[in-house]
Amino acid sequence: DTGVSQDPRHKITKRGQNVTFRCDPISEHNRLYWYRQTLGQGPEFLTYFQNEAQLEKSRLLSDRFSAERPKGSFSTLEIQRTEQGDSAMYLCASSSVGSWSPLHFGNGTRLTVT
Amino acid sequence: GNSVTQMEGPVTLSEEAFLTINCTYTATGYPSLFWYVQYPGEGLQLLLKATKADDKGSNKGFEATYRKETTSFHLEKGSVQVSDSAVYFCALHSGGGADGLTFGKGTHLIIQP
Repeated sequence: DTGVSQDPRHKITKRGQNVTFRCDPISEHNRLYWYRQTLGQGPEFLTYFQNEAQLEKSRLLSDRFSAERPKGSFSTLEIQRTEQGDSAMYLCASSSVGSWSPLHFGNGTRLTVT
Repeated sequence: GNSVTQMEGPVTLSEEAFLTINCTYTATGYPSLFWYVQYPGEGLQLLLKATKADDKGSNKGFEATYRKETTSFHLEKGSVQVSDSAVYFCALHSGGGADGLTFGKGTHLIIQP
């Protein structure tokens, strides 16, 4: 079990640029979640996949944000036309299906928009 | 909607002191309750959980009891160690849906030797 892996660990970008983050979940987990965490706050739910299907999206996920999980394994989160308010830690988590299972989190990708 | 309220930090204690971190919640239905911990430089880890009223979750000397009557899930430890220094998050999951966890803002715990 190598845990949930996220890449990159840090990303600095200029306002208006597009960024893409990758998450590799624990291999036997078919649920995958994206969260956003800003300083002094708890993680906020963004979206959730079961296998390749995106089942839920938070109101926080504006139309500049898109997430995919094309083969039900790794997932990508893209932010288009980044804004300074997008600066945050983006967390990925995975869990197994069935009765609600605890989430296993990655170490996150820290995005800084200048 | 769902919400979780935790005591503000940082909480600073001496080693071997008794710890309580308060957590109260608002939720529809019958949520499951969790405490997650984030050690410096690491990802969030599940510390303990309770899935129904009066359940007690425990792990690594930490305990929390699901109190439906007071909508609380306070985290306690009888004797803290320097290695317990971390940020602790209370969270809930509402049953019946696939939505993610709702987290509190986190409580930074600092244990001094």
